Amino acid sequence: QVQLQESGPGLVKPSQTLSLTCTVSGGSISSGGYYWSWIRQHPGKGLEWIGYIFYSGSTYYNPSLKSRVTISVGTSKNQFSLKLRSVTAADTAVYYCARESRTLLRGFDIWGQGTMVTVSS
Amino acid sequence: DIVMTQAPDSLAVSLGERATINCKSSQSVLYSSNNKNYLAWYQQKPGQPPKLLIYWASTRESGVPDRFSGSGSGTDFTLTISRLQAEDVAVYYCQQYYSTPYTFGQGTKLEIK
Repeated sequence: QVQLQESGPGLVKPSQTLSLTCTVSGGSISSGGYYWSWIRQHPGKGLEWIGYIFYSGSTYYNPSLKSRVTISVGTSKNQFSLKLRSVTAADTAVYYCARESRTLLRGFDIWGQGTMVTVSS
Repeated sequence: DIVMTQAPDSLAVSLGERATINCKSSQSVLYSSNNKNYLAWYQQKPGQPPKLLIYWASTRESGVPDRFSGSGSGTDFTLTISRLQAEDVAVYYCQQYYSTPYTFGQGTKLEIK
């Protein structure tokens, strides 16, 4: 049973870089069958897709965040990471990692529990 | 970007009654080569991540009760809960994965009347 778990600082100062890691257990990112995404949810609001990475390292980012986002695969190959630069209070949100089948294309079938990140001095 | 619009924003339904949530996309999410609509529905309960309920607009995810059903094609979609149970209280989202950036509806909050 594949599980995802987000980790990282819960508090980031304005103008700094938000860094989160998603650890995949029960499966491997390098199996090649999935896209691995980051999605965020502002407090009390809807869902915003940030971007995804394929195990090869190819990425696609939401144009609304593209200039500030980097998603990468970790050295362990069972982790992928999110970096969001120059954060402001508007980046305060719950951040989720999620999996999408590359072949079946049926939405995000597995999600992490989410991690709350607050941007504040 | 494809804009997803849900209606209503909130809904109160009596236990055992039918709940219907609508979702409209600003352009078609029907992939002509395989005749599949790249539209998913999720359920989110407080403090939890979204849970995939329906994909390809009408295919139930494994383990999802059969009182949940999805319908529609092209730009207009519906999630129906045929006999509302107390555990169905949640916010429901539609999402298109036809094209990037993937986008979600604003959510519909379902409560018990």
